[in-house]
Amino acid sequence: KQEVTQIPAALSVPEGENLVLNCSFTDSAIYNLQWFRQDPGKGLTSLLLIQSSQREQTSGRLNASLDKSSGRSTLYIAASQPGDSATYLCAVRRSGNTPLVFGKGTRLSVIA
Amino acid sequence: DTGVSQDPRHKITKRGQNVTFRCDPISEHNRLYWYRQTLGQGPEFLTYFQNEAQLEKSRLLSDRFSAERPKGSFSTLEIQRTEQGDSAMYLCASSTGGYYNEQFFGPGTRLTVL
Repeated sequence: KQEVTQIPAALSVPEGENLVLNCSFTDSAIYNLQWFRQDPGKGLTSLLLIQSSQREQTSGRLNASLDKSSGRSTLYIAASQPGDSATYLCAVRRSGNTPLVFGKGTRLSVIA
Repeated sequence: DTGVSQDPRHKITKRGQNVTFRCDPISEHNRLYWYRQTLGQGPEFLTYFQNEAQLEKSRLLSDRFSAERPKGSFSTLEIQRTEQGDSAMYLCASSTGGYYNEQFFGPGTRLTVL
C-alpha cells in the first residue's frame, strides 16, 4: 500500500526566505506526482504536476523535483511571501486511471 | 471554464439524518472523483467515475454512502443515517484523463454532524 509522508508538518519562516518542502513515498512505481496548495477551509489548488519520466517542473517562484527511484520529491519556494502561507500537499498516482494518494501536508507560515 | 463547483458549501445536520452533496465538474472532464478530508489529514479517496460508470470504490465508502453520476455530468454523494464520524470536508475533483490526468478540485462541502 502506497504511503506518502511530508516533512516537516509545519514550518514558519520570515518573508523573503527560500524554503524546501519534502515529500516521500514508499512505492516508487508511480505514474505522476502533484503538488497542491490548500488555504484554510478551502479546496485544493494544483500547483505543479510531474510525470514519472520527468525530473522537475517550474512555475514562477515554485520548482518541484522528483527522484522516483529514491521515492522523493521536493517543492522549492523562492523568495517567500506572506501570501504563500497555506498547507502544501503532495499526492502520487500509481497509474493514469487511479486516484491520488495524499500526504498529510506541510503547514507553511510566512511572517512579514 | 468555470472550474469545479460543489453545493452546498456547508452542511450542519443531526446524527441519523440523510444528506446529499452535489458536484459539477469542469464541462469537458469525463472523470470525476470524490475524496474525504478530516482535520489535519490529507484527502482520502472515496470513489471515482468515468462518464456515468462508477469504476472504483474505496473501503471507506460504507453501505451508508452512495454516489451517482447520471448522464456523466454532475455527481451526487449521499450519506444515509449520518454519524458524528462522518464530519469532514468532502472534496470533488475532475479530470480529462489523457496522459497527465491532472485533477482539479472544487471548494469542498464541509459537513458537521451534531
